[in-house]
Amino acid sequence: SQQGEEDPQALSIQEGENATMNCSYKTSINNLQWYRQNSGRGLVHLILIRSNEREKHSGRLRVTLDTSKKSSSLLITASRAADTASYFCAIYGGGGGADGLTFGKGTHLIIQP
Amino acid sequence: GAVVSQHPSWVICKSGTSVKIECRSLDFQATTMFWYRQFPKQSLMLMATSNEGSKATYEQGVEKDKFLINHASLTLSTLTVTSAHPEDSSFYICSASPPTSSGQFSTQYFGPGTRLTVL
Repeated sequence: SQQGEEDPQALSIQEGENATMNCSYKTSINNLQWYRQNSGRGLVHLILIRSNEREKHSGRLRVTLDTSKKSSSLLITASRAADTASYFCAIYGGGGGADGLTFGKGTHLIIQP
Repeated sequence: GAVVSQHPSWVICKSGTSVKIECRSLDFQATTMFWYRQFPKQSLMLMATSNEGSKATYEQGVEKDKFLINHASLTLSTLTVTSAHPEDSSFYICSASPPTSSGQFSTQYFGPGTRLTVL
């Protein structure tokens, strides 16, 4: 299966601390994306990193990609209570055109005020 | 930005009935739409890929006769859960992709999801 695997499955930290989530996958990818999902709601696209990129930033988010290890990490700096959500990595395998995404199992992040 | 809507947001139905869920791309034409299913506290699983004007492609293990997909226009795809049972209760999310050149990645824009509860 190409499904990504996130760890940890759940993470609870204090507001203001940094949160790091990891994603591992098994096959080659075209790009990897991170999404956030608030409880029972739709997905919010956070960031996309292509297979030829190693690091990307967006505001308080920093994503790294190591294709040799088939892993990615999402770092949220200076966390806020509003960051409480589930975070998923999603893999696009490529092959051209429109293929569905393969999602990881997700990390449930709780930011304690 | 690109917006995808779903209707209804939530639906409760009796076992044995059929339920139709709509997915619309509001400000762009979507040659391809995707349907995902998410069980509580689990990840999203791709169910099928819907291409405008052609038959949907279903993922392994997804019953095509149970989950009917129609993509009749460039802005609308529908998922009909036929003869629904309690185990079909789930969160169904669609996404839509605008046209792209062959071989190029096309961003998927996700709808807000439809929560289906089958009694």
